[in-house]
Amino acid sequence: QQQVKQSPQSLIVQKGGISIINCAYENTAFDYFPWYQQFPGKGPALLIAIRPDVSEKKEGRFTISFNKSAKQFSLHIMDSQPGDSATYFCAASRLGGATNKLIFGTGTLLAVQP
Amino acid sequence: DAGVTQSPTHLIKTRGQQVTLRCSPKSGHDTVSWYQQALGQGPQFIFQYYEEEERQRGNFPDRFSGHQFPNYSSELNVNALLLGDSALYLCASSATGTETQYFGPGTRLLVL
Repeated sequence: QQQVKQSPQSLIVQKGGISIINCAYENTAFDYFPWYQQFPGKGPALLIAIRPDVSEKKEGRFTISFNKSAKQFSLHIMDSQPGDSATYFCAASRLGGATNKLIFGTGTLLAVQP
Repeated sequence: DAGVTQSPTHLIKTRGQQVTLRCSPKSGHDTVSWYQQALGQGPQFIFQYYEEEERQRGNFPDRFSGHQFPNYSSELNVNALLLGDSALYLCASSATGTETQYFGPGTRLLVL
């Protein structure tokens, strides 16, 4: 029940295109869903996050769509740029639990071709 | 404002040895979590420290232990190293009552 499943494993998008990464979770107690971006040799950096009381959150070119009934959420990167090429991780957390530990997906390697 | 810092950046050890990794949290943060990230995988939660005590542990053996100091910095110790312990070890800090965890650059551990 602690799993977060992420797809696709890798993604190639043309510059200016839309990148879409999907995640699904099982534990309905999760109430915080962040997306992290990781470049080679670096630690993950928070990109955008959503709570389950809203269905969509947009920050610049990045949008999270959240479907509580389906237990799914996705990251959309609009106007994808070569600088967006990185590994993206979705995660989930239960803020009301003993800790705010993050359960991560397996990651999506995004390559944006110029 | 310095972010989360970790040392060393890289480390090579042999099987059976012991290792200590260090983390300084972001200014104003009092909670430190440690994660293990194997190559090509997402980070896995090891444990979290708050008020110098281990608050929760993930599915890791007792060979993994930690400590938090009064200045909120933290150490991760791994004893009797196995080849499978080779990974990127990440430290994340957060402030009590907030949801965001900020990650450091990690320590790359290679066990030969």
